[in-house]
Amino acid sequence: DSGVTQTPKHLITATGQRVTLRCSPRSGDLSVYWYQQSLDQGLQFLIQYYNGEERAKGNILERFSAQQFPDLHSELNLSSLELGDSALYFCASSVASGGAPDTQYFGPGTRLTVL
Amino acid sequence: QKEVEQDPGPLSVPEGAIVSLNCTYSNSAFQYFMWYRQYSRKGPELLMYTYSSGNKEDGRFTAQVDKSSKYISLFIRDSQPSDSATYLCAMTPSGNTGKLIFGQGTTLQVKP
Repeated sequence: DSGVTQTPKHLITATGQRVTLRCSPRSGDLSVYWYQQSLDQGLQFLIQYYNGEERAKGNILERFSAQQFPDLHSELNLSSLELGDSALYFCASSVASGGAPDTQYFGPGTRLTVL
Repeated sequence: QKEVEQDPGPLSVPEGAIVSLNCTYSNSAFQYFMWYRQYSRKGPELLMYTYSSGNKEDGRFTAQVDKSSKYISLFIRDSQPSDSATYLCAMTPSGNTGKLIFGQGTTLQVKP
């Protein structure tokens, strides 16, 4: 158990809908990262927040947004969902702002299925 | 072309074999190199990280980085059935963000 929690574990929804994925980082970690894992694209970095501020951005779609709250938990919002958004979404956390050695600990993931 | 290329396998070996996993990359700015292990239906977990070129050993695992060839490797000695998992290489340039670029992952099966 990495200490990172994600809810829900599974999410099934329809095209055009909006969903929110939640992540609680390990105690003491200030950075939260969001990744998307699909069979064709592999594990792709979406976005990083550090102590409430956006730190780095990957190829995150405009339909996706995230935020980190004062208690350091984070939410990833996915809107106008398409079939291609079906994937595993992982949250990771780390102590510092990144670089190395700043180990990222991954949560168990949320499996999103868009029908 | 992807920044990081990794043969997805699958790779099947008998117990006790030496396993070699590899990644190539194109971005010469990458300075930190990592190997993650991901069991089925779980999140990735960090196995090893290496800074710049060189070797690093941890038990049965050895990581090698050759920056001149833009090539990294992970060797597993005396492989065990419990090593059966997907292995992902990851890398990032020096700096103060945690943006990791992952390879596709290689699925390894170690048969008893």
